[in-house]
Amino acid sequence: GAVVSQHPSRVICKSGTSVKIECRSLDFQATTMFWYRQFPKQSLMLMATSNEGSKATYEQGVEKDKFLINHASLTLSTLTVTSAHPEDSSFYICSARARLSGQETQYFGPGTRLLVL
Amino acid sequence: AQRVTQPEKLLSVFKGAPVELKCNYSYSGSPELFWYVQYSRQRLQLLLRHISRESIKGFTADLNKGETSFHLKKPFAQEEDSAMYYCALSGLNQGGKLIFGQGTELSVKP
Repeated sequence: GAVVSQHPSRVICKSGTSVKIECRSLDFQATTMFWYRQFPKQSLMLMATSNEGSKATYEQGVEKDKFLINHASLTLSTLTVTSAHPEDSSFYICSARARLSGQETQYFGPGTRLLVL
Repeated sequence: AQRVTQPEKLLSVFKGAPVELKCNYSYSGSPELFWYVQYSRQRLQLLLRHISRESIKGFTADLNKGETSFHLKKPFAQEEDSAMYYCALSGLNQGGKLIFGQGTELSVKP
């Protein structure tokens, strides 16, 4: 149980195009979903917190118009990288938070590798 | 400022040796501390949390509020313990937001 999927697993796009990444909780409903970015050999950096039916809360320094987050249901959140540029190339990871087995826990997706040419 | 520091990027030990992965934190309040592990080509997964006070896969971690530390320990390392380990902090009333340390790569040699 508690599986989080991401689609696509990797994507290559041209500079200036937009890319959508989906994050789904497959067998549970998530109270909150989070989006992270991870650079090579570095830690996870929280980008935004996403709650179903409300606007995402972005961390300082993260452009909300650049990284659009939509949280349409308790099992799906999407991150759209608009007008992508090479510097947006990174590994994007989502997590879904749920209270299973009595404790709030974040369950992580496998990540999406984005390469912008 | 909230911060998690893992001073070692890489820790290399031999099988059977004791392991200690260091984690220090900065937080004005009572945080919840976690250790996450990422095995090769796998996703990040929770290893243990301080409030559970349990041992997972032989690993333990004790929260030391005086030293603001949450070091991860295992008395006898196994080759299958080789992975990236991340210490993380979550503050009270922050909706579960996690702040991660830089990560420590543990390499257990035969």
